[in-house]
Amino acid sequence: KAGVTQTPRYLIKTRGQQVTLSCSPISGHRSVSWYQQTPGQGLQFLFEYFSETQRNKGNFPGRFSGRQFSNSRSEMNVSTLELGDSALYLCASSMPGQGDYGYTFGSGTRLTVV
Amino acid sequence: AQKITQTQPGMFVQEKEAVTLDCTYDTSDPSYGLFWYKQPSSGEMIFLIYQGSYDQQNATEGRYSLNFQKARKSANLVISASQLGDSAMYFCAILTLYGNNRLAFGKGNQVVVIP
Repeated sequence: KAGVTQTPRYLIKTRGQQVTLSCSPISGHRSVSWYQQTPGQGLQFLFEYFSETQRNKGNFPGRFSGRQFSNSRSEMNVSTLELGDSALYLCASSMPGQGDYGYTFGSGTRLTVV
Repeated sequence: AQKITQTQPGMFVQEKEAVTLDCTYDTSDPSYGLFWYKQPSSGEMIFLIYQGSYDQQNATEGRYSLNFQKARKSANLVISASQLGDSAMYFCAILTLYGNNRLAFGKGNQVVVIP
Protein backbone atom coordinates (compact mmCIF):
# COMPACT_ATOMS: atom_id res chain seq x y z
CA LYS A 1 0.00 0.00 0.00
CA ALA A 2 1.10 3.56 -0.59
CA GLY A 3 2.86 5.24 2.30
CA VAL A 4 2.55 8.74 3.66
CA THR A 5 3.34 11.32 1.01
CA GLN A 6 4.68 14.73 1.85
CA THR A 7 5.15 17.49 -0.67
CA PRO A 8 7.28 19.27 -1.50
CA ARG A 9 10.47 17.55 -0.31
CA TYR A 10 12.49 20.75 -0.20
CA LEU A 11 11.59 24.40 0.10
CA ILE A 12 13.56 27.60 0.34
CA LYS A 13 11.67 30.66 1.52
CA THR A 14 12.53 34.18 2.55
CA ARG A 15 11.86 35.63 5.98
CA GLY A 16 8.39 37.10 6.20
CA GLN A 17 6.90 34.84 3.55
CA GLN A 18 4.40 32.12 4.21
CA VAL A 19 4.53 28.46 3.28
CA THR A 20 2.11 25.57 2.93
CA LEU A 21 3.15 21.95 3.31
CA SER A 22 1.04 18.98 2.30
CA CYS A 23 0.64 15.50 3.72
CA SER A 24 -1.36 12.65 2.20
CA PRO A 25 -1.91 9.85 4.72
CA ILE A 26 -2.12 6.14 4.18
CA SER A 27 -5.47 5.19 2.77
CA GLY A 28 -7.90 4.59 5.60
CA HIS A 29 -5.92 6.54 8.17
CA ARG A 30 -7.93 9.39 9.56
CA SER A 31 -5.44 10.94 11.95
CA VAL A 32 -2.57 13.12 10.77
CA SER A 33 0.03 14.54 13.11
CA TRP A 34 2.74 17.06 12.35
CA TYR A 35 6.18 17.30 13.93
CA GLN A 36 8.99 19.79 13.61
CA GLN A 37 12.56 18.51 13.80
CA THR A 38 15.51 20.81 14.42
CA PRO A 39 19.05 20.04 15.57
CA GLY A 40 18.59 22.09 18.72
CA GLN A 41 15.08 21.12 19.84
CA GLY A 42 14.78 17.68 18.34
CA LEU A 43 11.34 16.40 17.38
CA GLN A 44 8.48 18.50 18.63
CA PHE A 45 4.77 17.90 18.21
CA LEU A 46 2.91 20.59 16.30
CA PHE A 47 -0.68 19.39 16.04
CA GLU A 48 -2.93 16.49 15.23
CA TYR A 49 -6.02 16.37 13.05
CA PHE A 50 -8.71 13.74 13.05
CA SER A 51 -11.78 13.81 10.85
CA GLU A 52 -11.10 17.42 9.82
CA THR A 53 -10.85 18.62 13.42
CA GLN A 54 -7.77 19.68 15.29
CA ARG A 55 -7.67 17.45 18.34
CA ASN A 56 -4.34 18.36 19.88
CA LYS A 57 -1.90 21.20 19.60
CA GLY A 58 1.70 21.60 20.71
CA ASN A 59 3.40 24.69 22.06
CA PHE A 60 3.93 26.63 18.89
CA PRO A 61 2.93 30.21 18.08
CA GLY A 62 -0.21 30.97 16.15
CA ARG A 63 1.84 31.44 12.98
CA PHE A 64 1.69 27.67 12.70
CA SER A 65 -1.68 26.39 11.59
CA GLY A 66 -3.11 23.45 9.80
CA ARG A 67 -6.19 21.86 8.41
CA GLN A 68 -7.47 18.54 7.25
CA PHE A 69 -9.71 17.82 4.32
CA SER A 70 -12.51 15.31 3.99
CA ASN A 71 -10.16 12.84 2.27
CA SER A 72 -7.86 13.06 5.33
CA ARG A 73 -5.14 14.93 3.47
CA SER A 74 -3.66 17.61 5.66
CA GLU A 75 -1.86 20.87 5.13
CA MET A 76 0.14 22.95 7.52
CA ASN A 77 0.81 26.61 7.03
CA VAL A 78 3.47 28.81 8.53
CA SER A 79 2.98 32.53 8.12
CA THR A 80 5.54 35.31 8.55
CA LEU A 81 8.46 32.92 8.37
CA GLU A 82 11.40 33.35 10.70
CA LEU A 83 14.91 31.97 10.36
CA GLY A 84 14.20 29.66 13.28
CA ASP A 85 11.44 27.96 11.33
CA SER A 86 14.08 26.22 9.24
CA ALA A 87 13.52 22.56 9.99
CA LEU A 88 12.44 19.18 8.75
CA TYR A 89 8.67 18.93 8.99
CA LEU A 90 7.38 15.40 9.34
CA CYS A 91 3.84 14.20 9.24
CA ALA A 92 2.57 10.88 10.49
CA SER A 93 -0.70 9.19 9.77
CA SER A 94 -2.36 6.76 12.09
CA MET A 95 -5.51 4.88 12.79
CA PRO A 96 -6.15 5.43 16.50
CA GLY A 97 -6.46 2.18 18.30
CA GLN A 98 -4.10 0.29 16.04
CA GLY A 99 -1.29 0.69 18.52
CA ASP A 100 2.10 -0.36 17.27
CA TYR A 101 1.50 -0.21 13.56
CA GLY A 102 -0.63 2.86 13.75
CA TYR A 103 2.05 5.47 13.19
CA THR A 104 3.65 5.86 9.79
CA PHE A 105 5.77 8.82 8.89
CA GLY A 106 6.41 10.48 5.58
CA SER A 107 9.82 11.48 4.23
CA GLY A 108 9.39 15.01 5.43
CA THR A 109 9.62 18.48 3.95
CA ARG A 110 12.91 20.25 4.53
CA LEU A 111 12.22 23.97 4.87
CA THR A 112 15.03 26.49 4.73
CA VAL A 113 14.27 30.10 5.59
CA VAL A 114 16.81 32.64 4.37
CA ALA B 1 4.22 14.81 30.93
CA GLN B 2 6.23 12.13 29.20
CA LYS B 3 9.98 12.20 28.82
CA ILE B 4 12.42 10.06 26.88
CA THR B 5 16.15 10.09 27.59
CA GLN B 6 18.76 8.91 25.13
CA THR B 7 22.22 9.96 26.26
CA GLN B 8 24.69 7.79 24.41
CA PRO B 9 27.18 9.61 22.19
CA GLY B 10 27.55 8.64 18.57
CA MET B 11 28.54 5.02 18.10
CA PHE B 12 30.73 3.20 15.61
CA VAL B 13 29.82 -0.43 15.15
CA GLN B 14 31.63 -3.11 13.22
CA GLU B 15 29.58 -4.75 10.52
CA LYS B 16 27.95 -8.02 11.69
CA GLU B 17 28.28 -7.11 15.35
CA ALA B 18 25.37 -6.36 17.68
CA VAL B 19 24.68 -2.92 19.10
CA THR B 20 22.51 -1.84 22.02
CA LEU B 21 20.92 1.59 22.14
CA ASP B 22 19.76 2.85 25.53
CA CYS B 23 16.42 4.48 26.22
CA THR B 24 14.89 5.43 29.54
CA TYR B 25 11.49 6.99 29.94
CA ASP B 26 9.43 8.76 32.50
CA THR B 27 5.67 8.73 32.65
CA SER B 28 3.00 8.48 35.29
CA ASP B 29 0.46 7.01 32.86
CA PRO B 30 -0.31 3.35 33.58
CA SER B 31 -0.71 2.47 29.94
CA TYR B 32 1.78 3.42 27.28
CA GLY B 33 3.59 2.23 24.20
CA LEU B 34 7.25 2.52 23.36
CA PHE B 35 8.49 2.90 19.81
CA TRP B 36 11.83 2.85 18.11
CA TYR B 37 12.32 4.63 14.81
CA LYS B 38 15.25 4.77 12.41
CA GLN B 39 15.99 7.96 10.52
CA PRO B 40 18.55 7.71 7.72
CA SER B 41 20.05 10.82 6.18
CA SER B 42 17.12 11.00 3.76
CA GLY B 43 14.94 12.14 6.66
CA GLU B 44 12.19 9.56 6.64
CA MET B 45 11.24 8.20 10.05
CA ILE B 46 11.06 4.41 9.73
CA PHE B 47 9.18 2.38 12.32
CA LEU B 48 11.25 -0.48 13.76
CA ILE B 49 9.61 -1.98 16.81
CA TYR B 50 6.91 -1.45 19.40
CA GLN B 51 6.50 -2.51 23.03
CA GLY B 52 3.29 -2.11 24.98
CA SER B 53 3.50 -1.46 28.69
CA TYR B 54 1.41 -4.52 29.47
CA ASP B 55 3.20 -6.85 27.09
CA GLN B 56 4.68 -9.75 29.00
CA GLN B 57 7.36 -10.57 26.48
CA ASN B 58 10.03 -8.43 24.91
CA ALA B 59 9.20 -7.39 21.39
CA THR B 60 11.21 -8.71 18.45
CA GLU B 61 11.12 -7.79 14.75
CA GLY B 62 13.69 -9.56 12.64
CA ARG B 63 17.13 -8.27 13.66
CA TYR B 64 15.58 -5.82 16.12
CA SER B 65 14.69 -6.72 19.68
CA LEU B 66 13.68 -4.64 22.62
CA ASN B 67 15.02 -5.20 26.12
CA PHE B 68 12.08 -3.93 28.14
CA GLN B 69 12.61 -3.48 31.88
CA LYS B 70 9.44 -1.90 33.15
CA ALA B 71 10.53 -1.42 36.77
CA ARG B 72 13.62 0.45 35.61
CA LYS B 73 11.63 2.32 32.93
CA SER B 74 14.10 1.19 30.35
CA ALA B 75 13.50 0.10 26.74
CA ASN B 76 16.79 -0.60 25.04
CA LEU B 77 16.96 -1.50 21.36
CA VAL B 78 19.25 -4.31 20.28
CA ILE B 79 20.27 -4.57 16.64
CA SER B 80 21.87 -7.89 15.85
CA ALA B 81 24.24 -8.56 12.96
CA SER B 82 24.67 -4.90 11.99
CA GLN B 83 24.62 -4.02 8.32
CA LEU B 84 26.01 -0.97 6.54
CA GLY B 85 22.43 0.14 5.87
CA ASP B 86 21.83 0.40 9.62
CA SER B 87 23.86 3.61 9.73
CA ALA B 88 21.31 6.19 10.85
CA MET B 89 19.85 8.10 13.76
CA TYR B 90 17.69 6.02 16.07
CA PHE B 91 14.88 7.54 18.09
CA CYS B 92 13.00 6.16 21.04
CA ALA B 93 9.48 7.51 21.54
CA ILE B 94 6.59 7.05 23.94
CA LEU B 95 2.86 7.32 23.46
CA THR B 96 0.74 7.34 26.58
CA LEU B 97 -2.89 6.70 27.24
CA TYR B 98 -3.44 10.25 28.41
CA GLY B 99 -0.82 11.84 26.20
CA ASN B 100 -3.26 13.31 23.72
CA ASN B 101 -2.17 11.02 20.94
CA ARG B 102 1.24 12.59 20.55
CA LEU B 103 4.58 10.85 20.42
CA ALA B 104 7.28 12.21 22.71
CA PHE B 105 10.74 11.57 21.27
CA GLY B 106 14.20 11.33 22.71
CA LYS B 107 17.14 13.20 21.21
CA GLY B 108 18.28 10.15 19.29
CA ASN B 109 21.39 7.98 18.95
CA GLN B 110 23.73 8.23 15.96
CA VAL B 111 24.98 4.85 14.74
CA VAL B 112 27.62 4.40 12.07
CA VAL B 113 28.33 0.88 10.86
CA ILE B 114 31.83 0.35 9.53
CA PRO B 115 32.94 -2.50 7.27
